[in-house]
Amino acid sequence: QQQVRQSSQSLTVWEGETAILNCSYENSAFDYFPWYQQFPGEGPALLIAIRSVSDKKEDGRFTIFFNKREKNLSLHIKDSQPGDSATYFCAASNMGYKLTFGTGTSLLVDP
Amino acid sequence: DMKVTQMPRYLIKRMGENVLLECGQDMSHETMYWYRQDPGLGLQLIYISYDVDSNSEGDIPKGYRVSRKKREHFSLILDSAKTNQTSVYFCASSTGQSRYFGPGTRLTVL
Repeated sequence: QQQVRQSSQSLTVWEGETAILNCSYENSAFDYFPWYQQFPGEGPALLIAIRSVSDKKEDGRFTIFFNKREKNLSLHIKDSQPGDSATYFCAASNMGYKLTFGTGTSLLVDP
Repeated sequence: DMKVTQMPRYLIKRMGENVLLECGQDMSHETMYWYRQDPGLGLQLIYISYDVDSNSEGDIPKGYRVSRKKREHFSLILDSAKTNQTSVYFCASSTGQSRYFGPGTRLTVL
């Protein structure tokens, strides 16, 4: 049973568009949701995170929208650039040490 | 500069051989992790270490063991490697909820 689901394995957008990556989860006890960005040949790196008490978190061109009732969240990448092409992992935890990862969405930004 | 290092970066072994993957961190983080990453499966937790000699199994510990004798160093050991352990292995350390990942070791077991 996949506790954290990313609905798209891959996504392609044109440069300048807003990329939207979706994520849903099963466990209503999850209260911390980070997104990790991974480039080929590198380890994942924390991009942005939100706690369940908030419904939106913004950091530059990256915004998380969170819907606690529906148990889903999305990462919006505004004005997508070719350098944003990477794999994005949604993850979730319930204040413990264990982080559960989704299977990732591979984003390609076409110039 | 906060950093997690992994050695080696690439490794080819034959089935039945022993494998040692090494990880280091310079941030004095108490908690460290080993994950494996396979296409379509995301990151799967193998082991967690809460500090020196304080290790716990993750979700897929079978076929692996770990060693942590110094806070800054965490090893993953495969005794008698199997072909289904071919994967990319990531070490991470954490402070609070933030994970810092190393660059990974690509292991191929023939």
